[in-house]
Amino acid sequence: GAGVSQSPRYKVAKRGQDVALRCDPISGHVSLFWYQQALGQGPEFLTYFQNEAQLDKSGLPSDRFFAERPEGSVSTLKIQRTQQEDSAVYLCASSSTENSPLHFGNGTRLTVT
Amino acid sequence: QQQVKQSPQSLIVQKGGISIINCAYENTAFDYFPWYQQFPGKGPALLIAIRPDVSEKKEGRFTISFNKSAKQFSLHIMDSQPGDSATYFCAASRADNFNKFYFGSGTKLNVKP
Repeated sequence: GAGVSQSPRYKVAKRGQDVALRCDPISGHVSLFWYQQALGQGPEFLTYFQNEAQLDKSGLPSDRFFAERPEGSVSTLKIQRTQQEDSAVYLCASSSTENSPLHFGNGTRLTVT
Repeated sequence: QQQVKQSPQSLIVQKGGISIINCAYENTAFDYFPWYQQFPGKGPALLIAIRPDVSEKKEGRFTISFNKSAKQFSLHIMDSQPGDSATYFCAASRADNFNKFYFGSGTKLNVKP
């Protein structure tokens, strides 16, 4: 079946612009995670949903970052007033239950100029 | 402070050789230790994982060795192949959030033909 799908694959934003990154998890997957991967680094946790409930947002770097999953499937990560330090690959991942393996998408590469 | 430390940063191995990547952690609450493989432009993919109640786990050419007292674990790739050339990340998570990973900084493996 289809894996985790993320769009767009690449996004270039001017500093100060708002961006929205979309994640389509594997159908039926309950858990959804967002991770941020800076160039040459390991992914870092941003936030976690179980169905539509955002259970952990401790990794969001600032109040400019906002994530939602209103119907418990598709999720959107929004970054307001983008800064250069926001440039990274944003990875979405889903799992069928809380304790089953994560399946990652291929990410959205955000470049802020 | 990085919760999982990974070394080396890069590794060159001849085809047929053994690749060894090491990780260390401090938080004794961690109880799940996966290894992820990432190819350029792709998301991380789960390779193999271990829990601290066993000292070794083998799946095909991939083996995790785990030393609970030293808080260290390592990935061994036997008979390394050019197709294994990728970046490898170790990670750790706690029981209260199975998929909230703390990743190492990655090891770029190059297997020469």
